[in-house]
Amino acid sequence: KQEVTQIPAALSVPEGENLVLNCSFTDSAIYNLQWFRQDPGKGLTSLLLIQSSQREQTSGRLNASLDKSSGRSTLYIAASQPGDSATYLCAVIPSTGANSKLTFGKGITLSVRP
Amino acid sequence: EPEVTQTPSHQVTQMGQEVILRCVPISNHLYFYWYRQILGQKVEFLVSFYNNEISEKSEIFDDQFSVERPDGSNFTLKIRSTKLEDSAMYFCASSEDRASTDTQYFGPGTRLTVL
Repeated sequence: KQEVTQIPAALSVPEGENLVLNCSFTDSAIYNLQWFRQDPGKGLTSLLLIQSSQREQTSGRLNASLDKSSGRSTLYIAASQPGDSATYLCAVIPSTGANSKLTFGKGITLSVRP
Repeated sequence: EPEVTQTPSHQVTQMGQEVILRCVPISNHLYFYWYRQILGQKVEFLVSFYNNEISEKSEIFDDQFSVERPDGSNFTLKIRSTKLEDSAMYFCASSEDRASTDTQYFGPGTRLTVL
């Protein structure tokens, strides 16, 4: 059974710092991995999707990498801002079964201090 | 920018009552999903739906749950007889193509409180 882990559960950094959020998954048989942002009490906003054949994806100040063989992904946030404060979730789509369900980690709650 | 919408934003119900949660997926999307998030826990997959039938469901999605696409725009989740443990945030999502290749876009959620 696929398990997705995100450690630490919470992170606090000063504004302007570059930071890396980690995600690990137990089964490397995945089609893709997605990173989401969740603001308190709100829905999930898709940030980046990395296909299993890709190594990384970039969007603005965000860069996500994927190492499928080791079961790891990182989300790099450059020059963090207070507006980046949110919970960041990673999720994978398995390459077995009907391939439709996302399996989520619990998320990392990021606080960027002004 | 097109987005997934959900109504109501908050639903309070008594245990044993039926509830219907409503979603309007993005208009050209063909694949639809329901997830839930119990407070403080992970987002969990419930069901996926394509071509007017369920394509995958989790162990959570038992006989008390059902989904329907009653018309060309709405996608609903029905819980027949709610339990206290059904209290959660329920998210609808949609994707243009299969989830194995395409991003799932999530709605803002419906907070269900069962008393």
